[in-house]
Order: sequence, then structure tokens, then C-alpha cells
Amino acid sequence: GPKVLQIPSHQIIDMGQMVTLNCDPVSNHLYFYWYKQILGQQMEFLVNFYNGKVMEKSKLFKDQFSVERPDGSYFTLKIQPTALEDSAVYFCASSLGRGDYEQYFGPGTRLTVL
Amino acid sequence: GEQVEQRPPHLSVREGDSAVIICTYTDPNSYYFFWYKQEPGAGLQLLMKVFSSTEINEGQGFTVLLNKKDKQLSLNLTAAHPGDSAVYFCAVIRVVGQLTFGRGTRLQVYA
Repeated sequence: GPKVLQIPSHQIIDMGQMVTLNCDPVSNHLYFYWYKQILGQQMEFLVNFYNGKVMEKSKLFKDQFSVERPDGSYFTLKIQPTALEDSAVYFCASSLGRGDYEQYFGPGTRLTVL
Repeated sequence: GEQVEQRPPHLSVREGDSAVIICTYTDPNSYYFFWYKQEPGAGLQLLMKVFSSTEINEGQGFTVLLNKKDKQLSLNLTAAHPGDSAVYFCAVIRVVGQLTFGRGTRLQVYA
């Protein structure tokens, strides 16, 4: 089936540094998502993105977070500056449409903030 | 906000036995429901989506039951095999564009 890729698979950084997580969504998809999963906890919605804009975001999407997809390249999640509580696995997803359309997920990026 | 309780967190069954995973949600306005499977190092693979008020859907080797009256969604693997070993997640849509997930069930099928 359609595949979503995420780069890197693991990232270790020092607190206060900037990090960019990259997602290569399904090629004809229009909606993009980030979810966050802290170890042992539920996966939680962060943000969705369409046509160059954030559509919805949760309270977990702090001011230090930003997303973009310049010119059809990677869909990125940038955290600047990082904090210890940002350590988690971040999953990217994409879908053809909004609402009940299937969201296809990547394998996740494990971020460790030291 | 939406709460989705998933149980059990871990499940170990013998090959050929059935395995049942249950999710209970709180918001009666939830209207779309999903089961995902995650194998090690891979993304979430969609197994099934359901939306009718009470629905039984059969996939390859599994059955999904939605009971909106009781706000319950279940996944039943009818004759589990080692390839079914994975983490399974239920997910619910209440707000357009946002999935709310259960905590996952780690299923181990042994020969």
C-alpha cells in the first residue's frame, strides 16, 4: 500500500537545540499530520496541515513547534528550542482528503532530548 | 476531551486461538472508527474502518464489531498466527481531521 517515510528514525539532541523531523508523505496526498507518542502513553494528535496552512492543532503543539512543506518537498516538524518533555516518538501521517479519509502513517522518529 | 480506553495492554495467545481487543470511548459524537496494526519498525497499517451504528465487518482473519449504544469497538482475530504478532491500536474520529488513539495492545502469538 501507500508508504509514508520518515527521516531520521532516531535523533538524539541536547536540550535547547533545534531539531527538524522530516516526513515524505504519499505522493498525491493533500493533508498532513503529526502525532506524538510518549513512551507507554497514547499517541496524541499534534497538528494537521493543508495547502500551506495549519488547519487544526492541539494544546500539545507548543509555540516552539512549527510545520511546513515548502514546494512539495518534505513535510517537516521543527522544534526550537527543544525541551526534555519533547522526548517521544513522532509519527507523520498523510491522507488524500479530510474527515474520514484514511490516514497513512510513517514508522515514526524517536526523538531523545538530553 | 475524548477518552479511548483500550484493553488488554498485553495479550499472549497460542497459534490457532482467538484474540479479542476492546476499546471503549466516551464521546457519543464520535463517528468514525479505525483499527491499526503496527509491526516493529513499521508505520501503522490500517486494518479496518467502520462508521455505522452497529456494524460487524470481516476482514482477512479478523472481525470488527462496533456497538455505538455501548460506545465499544472490538477486534477479534479468529485464528491467530505468528504473523499477527504486533501492536494493535484503535482510533476514533470525533473532530474532523484528528484521530484519538487507544494506548495499544501488544499481541504475541506463539506456536
